Amino acid sequence: NAGVMQNPRHLVRRRGQEARLRCSPMKGHSHVYWYRQLPEEGLKFMVYLQKENIIDESGMPKERFSAEFPKEGPSILRIQQVVRGDSAAYFCASSRGDSSYNEQFFGPGTRLTVL
Amino acid sequence: AQSVSQHNHHVILSEAASLELGCNYSYGGTVNLFWYVQYPGQHLQLLLKYFSGDPLVKGIKGFEAEFIKSKFSFNLRKPSVQWSDTAEYFCAVSSYYGGATNKLIFGTGTLLAVQP
Repeated sequence: NAGVMQNPRHLVRRRGQEARLRCSPMKGHSHVYWYRQLPEEGLKFMVYLQKENIIDESGMPKERFSAEFPKEGPSILRIQQVVRGDSAAYFCASSRGDSSYNEQFFGPGTRLTVL
Repeated sequence: AQSVSQHNHHVILSEAASLELGCNYSYGGTVNLFWYVQYPGQHLQLLLKYFSGDPLVKGIKGFEAEFIKSKFSFNLRKPSVQWSDTAEYFCAVSSYYGGATNKLIFGTGTLLAVQP
């Protein structure tokens, strides 16, 4: 019974490159959330997606960041032209529904390091 | 805007000591409250949650938390900690009402180290 899967677990990029982070939700879950944890800070909400739809992107930086959750395949968080300040742990969570009664299950995270 | 404050960033205890981790939130409406734990090298796991009803909530591994609405608090407690409780603990809040999303607002976390 696989949980939320994220890959890669560690990603190193040079400034200006692109980073692609993948999240496969738990079986039966169609709601995905992305959170970012900067050093010495708590997790901060970035974006909430359902299949093929972005529901809430109020936490996404205005530029360089995008997310998708296609009909088939994992959810992707894409960061273009990375900068050192993007270095963080990026966590994905999934839930069965959109009610707060539906627990969010978290993946192990992707640790992005920008050189 | 909603926010969550965790007062203790680092806590060091000896085994069998009692634990209380503070959590306060700022939001005037109906909230749901959570405590998550992250053991070294592992992903976040839900310890316990409060939606409504009895303000004293019991979770896994002997943890409990009390929701005090008048103080906007949701403190985590355990009567007797074990070395295996060494982890980082996160308090989180969400609100849900017609059309709003289920995003979690997290505190900055408390790193607990239990000495054998």
